[in-house]
Amino acid sequence: KAGVTQTPRYLIKTRGQQVTLSCSPISGHRSVSWYQQTPGQGLQFLFEYFSETQRNKGNFPGRFSGRQFSNSRSEMNVSTLELGDSALYLCASSSGTSGSGGELFFGEGSRLTVL
Amino acid sequence: AQKVTQAQTEISVVEKEDVTLDCVYETRDTTYYLFWYKQPPSGELVFLIRRNSFDEQNEISGRYSWNFQKSTSSFNFTITASQVVDSAVYFCALSGRGYSTLTFGKGTMLLVSP
Repeated sequence: KAGVTQTPRYLIKTRGQQVTLSCSPISGHRSVSWYQQTPGQGLQFLFEYFSETQRNKGNFPGRFSGRQFSNSRSEMNVSTLELGDSALYLCASSSGTSGSGGELFFGEGSRLTVL
Repeated sequence: AQKVTQAQTEISVVEKEDVTLDCVYETRDTTYYLFWYKQPPSGELVFLIRRNSFDEQNEISGRYSWNFQKSTSSFNFTITASQVVDSAVYFCALSGRGYSTLTFGKGTMLLVSP
């Protein structure tokens, strides 16, 4: 079956702008998680959505937000971009049930560069 | 709080050598899961293995093997007879009650030269 699809793959923005990233999970998966990857901080959890509700949230400022639609597709938004927001943003999908044991399937990521 | 430590930042080996990637974790949960992911240059994280906290059996899958020791809070990963295609960044990760929330280590970059 098709994997996790993230769009766009690459984008360049300037400070102060906002950006929206999209993620289509594996068919049948109801949980979508977002992670930020930077050389300095590594992989950090942003938030998780399950059945259109935010289920978990990492330690990021309110400029980072997300949502999930009824078809499980998810978007994340970063407002008032800062240079430090330059990163690879990874989306992961899973069934979201306890039996999944956290097995996540990742997309190839959206690489954001803030100038 | 959960924490995963991968002390090895980068490892370089020659093809056919065996290599072990170390992972040490901290958690207060009694039920948890441990993972290894591989990240090739394309960026996608590829799932390699999942282990739950009640299963300390070692596992072997082809050239890959994993050693889980609860007594030392370690979950090490060994590649036998390494190949150039094994070159990637490898991440160890931990999840607790929030099953879809992973805490990752900083990763170990493995370079296998011919």
